[in-house]
Amino acid sequence: GENVEQHPSTLSVQEGDSAVIKCTYSDSASNYFPWYKQELGKRPQLIIDIRSNVGEKKDQRIAVTLNKTAKHFSLHITETQPEDSAVYFCAASRNTNAGKSTFGDGTTLTVKP
Amino acid sequence: DADVTQTPRNRITKTGKRIMLECSQTKGHDRMYWYRQDPGLGLRLIYYSFDVKDINKGEISDGYSVSRQAQAKFSLSLESAIPNQTALYFCATSRTAGFEQYFGPGTRLTVT
Repeated sequence: GENVEQHPSTLSVQEGDSAVIKCTYSDSASNYFPWYKQELGKRPQLIIDIRSNVGEKKDQRIAVTLNKTAKHFSLHITETQPEDSAVYFCAASRNTNAGKSTFGDGTTLTVKP
Repeated sequence: DADVTQTPRNRITKTGKRIMLECSQTKGHDRMYWYRQDPGLGLRLIYYSFDVKDINKGEISDGYSVSRQAQAKFSLSLESAIPNQTALYFCATSRTAGFEQYFGPGTRLTVT
């Protein structure tokens, strides 16, 4: 089955700095890569996703890059703000009837004001 | 707004007791999932269902069972609860494979 590794497990940055979280996956057939943000005491919510036919996707301060050859993808947050503090999860899945997501272990991001 | 709801939100139970966690959704999605969240271990899949007649084991199904009563309802049961099942449990739905999952608010379960 799919195995997703996520690094780092914790990340602390100063407000205004950039943050990068990296994930690797094992199943070369995976083709959908979402990122979820979970604020303290809340449910995980999708913040951005990318499909395997695209190398990069941006949404304001958030971007995701995908390297299919190396089987890794990364979340980039620029100009971090205190409200970006949360746990971030990456996931990988196949876009097939049997597809289900495998999640990374999460990264706790702290943005210090 | 269409949503995913879970009951109860918090539950404390004793070792050996049977407990059921319930999930309902008004999103009209066919796919439903149960995850367990432990600190530092991410979201681990317990069971998933792609429609009412389809139930599949996830990576950590031992000690758990599920029932898909209708398209909108998916219940998780712990037949005989044990302390290491203390965790935060999330239900989720999705339209189909390769699309966003929508999570419920979670159920915090403590087994003493």
